[in-house]
Amino acid sequence: AQSVAQPEDQVNVAEGNPLTVKCTYSVSGNPYLFWYVQYPNRGLQFLLKYITGDNLVKGSYGFEAEFNKSQTSFHLKKPSALVSDSALYFCAVRGPLNAGNMLTFGGGTRLMVKP
Amino acid sequence: DAGVIQSPRHEVTEMGQEVTLRCKPISGHNSLFWYRQTMMRGLELLIYFNNNVPIDDSGMPEDRFSAKMPNASFSTLKIQPSEPRDSAVYFCASSSGQFTGELFFGEGSRLTVL
Repeated sequence: AQSVAQPEDQVNVAEGNPLTVKCTYSVSGNPYLFWYVQYPNRGLQFLLKYITGDNLVKGSYGFEAEFNKSQTSFHLKKPSALVSDSALYFCAVRGPLNAGNMLTFGGGTRLMVKP
Repeated sequence: DAGVIQSPRHEVTEMGQEVTLRCKPISGHNSLFWYRQTMMRGLELLIYFNNNVPIDDSGMPEDRFSAKMPNASFSTLKIQPSEPRDSAVYFCASSSGQFTGELFFGEGSRLTVL
């Protein structure tokens, strides 16, 4: 069965510094990987995805993610963090084949960006 | 464009009462998902519909939970009878039929069972 793990419950970073939110995955077959963000009292919003192609994927709000097959990782990154980036971030993997857009989400990582 | 619309946004009820949560997906989307979010268990997929047909309901906790999608523009999640451990935020999400990995989430329904 497919799964994702987010080893950090919370990541703290100062505004202007680079940030990394970690994600590792376990799938059989080709991995289809995603990042979503959740702001307080809101639903999740799509940030970016890796399907195939370049290992560095660019997404919304200046975020990017690096796919590393040998390490089975898909870490979310941003060169310069903003206070407004503070939110809950979820890594996700596609469900079984022929499961359409069914996603399995990780436990989430809370990002705190301090001024 | 209107996004996914959920109602009610907040529901407080007493144990044993029936709870019905409602969802209107984005027009033209033919996949619909119900997720539950709690601090302890994170985000769990409850059920997934495609073209109004339930495809995977393995995440539905027990017989007290039921979900329906009578047409392409409406779905309900019902809990009967409700229990305090059902307290959570319930999200509905929709997507197009093609694989994109992009789900569009509603604002959620926060359920508190006393």
